[in-house]
Amino acid sequence: GENVEQHPSTLSVQEGDSAVIKCTYSDSASNYFPWYKQELGKRPQLIIDIRSNVGEKKDQRIAVTLNKTAKHFSLHITETQPEDSAVYFCAASASGSARQLTFGSGTQLTVLP
Amino acid sequence: ETGVTQTPRHLVMGMTNKKSLKCEQHLGHNAMYWYKQSAKKPLELMFVYNFKEQTENNSVPSRFSPECPNSSHLFLHLHTLQPEDSALYLCASSQQSRTDTQYFGPGTRLTVL
Repeated sequence: GENVEQHPSTLSVQEGDSAVIKCTYSDSASNYFPWYKQELGKRPQLIIDIRSNVGEKKDQRIAVTLNKTAKHFSLHITETQPEDSAVYFCAASASGSARQLTFGSGTQLTVLP
Repeated sequence: ETGVTQTPRHLVMGMTNKKSLKCEQHLGHNAMYWYKQSAKKPLELMFVYNFKEQTENNSVPSRFSPECPNSSHLFLHLHTLQPEDSALYLCASSQQSRTDTQYFGPGTRLTVL
């Protein structure tokens, strides 16, 4: 089945700096890659997603890039703010497959003021 | 209340107890999911229901028994649990397919003594 690896497991950045979280996946049939943010004590919430027909997607300070050849995708957060501090999860799935979303192990992002 | 709701939010039970977790979605979705979230582990998919029919059971022990009476409600019946079953149990829903966005409930924090 699908295997999603996420790095790093923890990341600390200074406020205003950029943060990058990377994920790799194993199933070349995967074509949907969402990113979720989970603040302490709260539910995971979708922040951005990308499908395999595009290589990059941006929403204000958040962007996701996808390299299907290398089977990896990354989350980029620019001009980080303390409220960006949370656990971020990547995931992958393939339409028409028996498999559901497979999640990465999460990255604890801390933005230092 | 809108979105996905879960009750109770916290539950402490003994190994011989029987309890149930409830999930309700107000989004008109047709697919519902149970996930287990343990510390420092990826989100683990437990069960999937599409149009009230169970479509996936990820080798979950029989002490966890799901029930989906309609597309809006999902239950997880618990009996004879083990301390290692202590975790956050998250419910999610999506429109239908595997590449649709999943919306999560706030979770039930379960502690098994």
